[in-house]
Amino acid sequence: EVQLVESGGGLVQPGGSLRLSCAASGFTFRNYWMHWVRQAPGEGLVWVSRINGDGSSTNYADSVKGRFTISRDNAKNTLYLQMNSLRAEDTAVYYCAREDTAADFDIWGQGTMVTVSS
Amino acid sequence: DVVMTQSPDSLAVSLGERATINCKSSQSVLYNSNNKNYLAWYQQKPGQPPKLLIYWASTRESGVPDRFSGSGSGTDFTLTISSLQAEDVAVYYCQQYYGSPLYTFGQGTKLEIK
Repeated sequence: EVQLVESGGGLVQPGGSLRLSCAASGFTFRNYWMHWVRQAPGEGLVWVSRINGDGSSTNYADSVKGRFTISRDNAKNTLYLQMNSLRAEDTAVYYCAREDTAADFDIWGQGTMVTVSS
Repeated sequence: DVVMTQSPDSLAVSLGERATINCKSSQSVLYNSNNKNYLAWYQQKPGQPPKLLIYWASTRESGVPDRFSGSGSGTDFTLTISSLQAEDVAVYYCQQYYGSPLYTFGQGTKLEIK
């Protein structure tokens, strides 16, 4: 079964750091661009970051550029998001998602909640 | 920035009736090189991640019921549910891949039963 499972969310103080993980299974992980998408409580979906199959190319939304770092370990079939200098506005459910050939997101994880609050 | 604007923000439709959701992009999402519109539709039910319904504006994802259809090109797109079922109650999002930022979603349309 094709599956993505996120972990690592939690409560963190403003200015703090957190690392999210996304474990992939059921497909050839290294062949796909992978993404992080977030959703603040009661709000819509916002794209955060993407990484190509071998990890050599990354892109970020302006709102997280310079604070967040996406990476992957293809040997472990795992995607990561290192989040530094966290702000209250980063509070959201963070989803990892697989990009399909049509630049859509065909597989999503269940999400992990990140709360930034003092 | 490419802005995706959905209308309406919410919609109430009777069971068995047609539901129509619109999505307008601030710039064209049609790639001239392959004549594909990089526009997708998702369904999100409470407490669940989004589910891909339609890609390339009109191609139904495997396993999606054929009452869901997508249409449009360039900047104007439509998701149609031909005969609303109770399980279709959800929030629907359009999403583009073309400009900057690389991927943007519409604000969502909440679909309810009348």
